Amino acid sequence: GAVVSQHPSRVICKSGTSVKIECRSLDFQATTMFWYRQFPKQSLMLMATSNEGSKATYEQGVEKDKFLINHASLTLSTLTVTSAHPEDSSFYICSARDRDRGYNEQFFGPGTRLTVL
Amino acid sequence: QQQVKQSPQSLIVQKGGISIINCAYENTAFDYFPWYQQFPGKGPALLIAIRPDVSEKKEGRFTISFNKSAKQFSLHIMDSQPGDSATYFCAARNQAGTALIFGKGTTLSVSS
Repeated sequence: GAVVSQHPSRVICKSGTSVKIECRSLDFQATTMFWYRQFPKQSLMLMATSNEGSKATYEQGVEKDKFLINHASLTLSTLTVTSAHPEDSSFYICSARDRDRGYNEQFFGPGTRLTVL
Repeated sequence: QQQVKQSPQSLIVQKGGISIINCAYENTAFDYFPWYQQFPGKGPALLIAIRPDVSEKKEGRFTISFNKSAKQFSLHIMDSQPGDSATYFCAARNQAGTALIFGKGTTLSVSS
């Protein structure tokens, strides 16, 4: 149990295009999902916190108009990178908190590798 | 104050040896301290976690030692195996539902 999936696993796009990444909790309901970005050989940096049915809370320095987050249901959150540029190339990872398992449990997806040409 | 400082940055251990990774924090409001293991190109996976009311927790070959007064916690991997070669992250959280704050990671290489 407690599986989080991401789609796609990797994507290559041209500069200026938009890319949508999906994060799904497969066997539990997630009231809160988190989006992280990880550059090569670096740690995970929190981008935003997403609560079901409400607007996402972005970390300082993260452009909310560039990284659009939608958490429309208890099992799905999406991150859209708008007008992507090469510097947005990174590994994007979501995590989800299991509403019924207690606040300590947070499960990570397998990540999405974004390459912007 | 929101940082979690992790050391060493990299570690090489012989097969069968003990791997030790340390983390320190400043924020006394942190109340949950997990360790994650990450393989290249994969998302992090929870290894073991501890709350500050416990000084030690053991799960198989993995042990967390927690020193509340020193605001430090460490991961010990006993009988380290080549399959343990990965990047390990400590993390902390200061209240229910908020995101984890990660250390910078330790790359462990276990030589056979």
